[in-house]
Amino acid sequence: NAGVTQTPKFQVLKTGQSMTLQCAQDMNHEYMSWYRQDPGMGLRLIHYSVGAGITDQGEVPNGYNVSRSTTEDFPLRLLSAAPSQTSVYFCASSARKGKPLVDEQYFGPGTRLTVT
Amino acid sequence: TQLLEQSPQFLSIQEGENLTVYCNSSSVFSSLQWYRQEPGEGPVLLVTVVTGGEVKKLKRLTFQFGDARKDSSLHITAAQPGDTGLYLCAGARSNYQLIWGAGTKLIIKP
Repeated sequence: NAGVTQTPKFQVLKTGQSMTLQCAQDMNHEYMSWYRQDPGMGLRLIHYSVGAGITDQGEVPNGYNVSRSTTEDFPLRLLSAAPSQTSVYFCASSARKGKPLVDEQYFGPGTRLTVT
Repeated sequence: TQLLEQSPQFLSIQEGENLTVYCNSSSVFSSLQWYRQEPGEGPVLLVTVVTGGEVKKLKRLTFQFGDARKDSSLHITAAQPGDTGLYLCAGARSNYQLIWGAGTKLIIKP
């Protein structure tokens, strides 16, 4: 049971390049999310998915696209990289449980992205 | 945007000391979670509190949810170097989306 895996671990892009950050989970969780983490700002939600075929925007979606064709995979695409997208990106999966329902998230190890 | 304010932002203490970190908001949350993050890794869930006034203990860590469900505290007794890390709180809105604090960076010196 690998949990949540992310690739690559590190990436350097030039302004204007595009790329896809990969995320996979093997816990059969319905819910998956992408966050970015910047110093002093906490985690900010980019996009999320409540199941295969269903995605929605979070707090900071501009410049990013997602898709969810399977329960396991939730890739994040940077369309045209900008220096403002330099950050650490985390993918998380969760299953709502308990009474009342709570959403406890399991995070991948992150991708450190630098855009020059 | 609803915010969760964490304090202090940074804390460095000697092994064996006690400490408390705080997570405050003007908004009510349906539940609140605490995570610990180590360098180069993703956050790991420590605890979820759901009831106003609730207290949960995890070994030397004590978590409390405020009566009005707007704030929370984490108290560590006899801190150890293994407690070093970034502690994040996250409050859940009614739609389950989490609002994150910026974190408290804790260093425990041997």
